[in-house]
Amino acid sequence: DTEVTQTPKHLVMGMTNKKSLKCEQHMGHRAMYWYKQKAKKPPELMFVYSYEKLSINESVPSRFSPECPNSSLLNLHLHALQPEDSALYLCASSQEETRTDTQYFGPGTRLTVL
Amino acid sequence: EDQVTQSPEALRLQEGESSSLNCSYTVSGLRGLFWYRQDPGKGPEFLFTLYSAGEEKEKERLKATLTKKESFLHITAPKPEDSATYLCAALGPSGSRLTFGEGTQLTVNP
Repeated sequence: DTEVTQTPKHLVMGMTNKKSLKCEQHMGHRAMYWYKQKAKKPPELMFVYSYEKLSINESVPSRFSPECPNSSLLNLHLHALQPEDSALYLCASSQEETRTDTQYFGPGTRLTVL
Repeated sequence: EDQVTQSPEALRLQEGESSSLNCSYTVSGLRGLFWYRQDPGKGPEFLFTLYSAGEEKEKERLKATLTKKESFLHITAPKPEDSATYLCAALGPSGSRLTFGEGTQLTVNP
């Protein structure tokens, strides 16, 4: 089983709202990722967690705040977003960060910021 | 800087018309080349990983190959359900950063 789940599927929020995206995997993977994907563009890496510790932050604005409460869960907390942050947010996981393991993606959360 | 270029940007085929998608990469110390399929509004679905030049992998109507400079995704006798965007991504010498190409949007007409 190579399933990564994400909730919610769709999210509409105002610029003053606070919301969270959730990602879950039960494959025993120790690396988890957040990506942002705009229409007709490839995914862009935002954050990487390895063994529940933040390993990579690709200079993402502080209005995006990741959290990894345990080895199966990854959250992305959103606050004071801008309309240009509207995108498909993808979570992925892999066995380990530093090996050549395949990253498996979830179905994504379609975020619209009004 | 690592670079991945996919061609063509878009490809229209008739059902049963075989073709190939190209992924050229400039990556020092390539550790893996990944192919994904993505349907509109959904997450990328893993297809293949290739690790060394000369390697080939097959799955149903798809076959991926790797040379020292490029990878090909061959589609044999495609069906309309093969319509999707195909992404390739290269893993460089360190960490887990994937360098993605812009993708090839494939449409297969019945």
